[in-house]
Amino acid sequence: NAGVTQTPKFRVLKTGQSMTLLCAQDMNHEYMYWYRQDPGMGLRLIHYSVGEGTTAKGEVPDGYNVSRLKKQNFLLGLESAAPSQTSVYFCASSFPESGALYGYTFGSGTRLTVV
Amino acid sequence: GEDVEQSLFLSVREGDSSVINCTYTDSSSTYLYWYKQEPGAGLQLLTYIFSNMDMKQDQRLTVLLNKKDKHLSLRIADTQTGDSAIYFCAEMNSGGYQKVTFGTGTKLQVIP
Repeated sequence: NAGVTQTPKFRVLKTGQSMTLLCAQDMNHEYMYWYRQDPGMGLRLIHYSVGEGTTAKGEVPDGYNVSRLKKQNFLLGLESAAPSQTSVYFCASSFPESGALYGYTFGSGTRLTVV
Repeated sequence: GEDVEQSLFLSVREGDSSVINCTYTDSSSTYLYWYKQEPGAGLQLLTYIFSNMDMKQDQRLTVLLNKKDKHLSLRIADTQTGDSAIYFCAEMNSGGYQKVTFGTGTKLQVIP
């Protein structure tokens, strides 16, 4: 009964370093999303995917890349981390047919600090 | 574009009712949601309301929708300390994939 699992939970990066955040879901959801949460700004969509092999830009995509090679996994990459990317990152997933009724299923988040 | 606004903070005494308000701008919203985020956790869906409904009640939760004014509210009756969390209003519009726009979140503090 895992749902959406994000790894790692915490990470500290130096400016310019790269890293990949992993999101894995076991609910066979087609749609997956990456959000960032910043104080006073709510959740902002970074990238999303409507199926295996597809990705699209959201509201704040600059500085991030994503891949969806397998249906259950959605990876978020930071090629050259900047302090402005200090945030809490959430992954979410949903079904295309029933997602409107049941909403998104969220992971527990990754807290990233860039120094 | 779509915009969803909420006040940032609400404090209530245990046992009182809490009312969290939200305004949105997208007139094509189909579903509106309330999510709850407890400390250190992701968001969990609390309840939703379809855009052609005025009210929905689910145990201690009452959702009111005024579509004309684009105003959504969440009332929690008999608020408990376990209700302390951040509450996000969100709306889904009818275009494309299931695009959901989230508000800034209202932090509810319940005083014992």
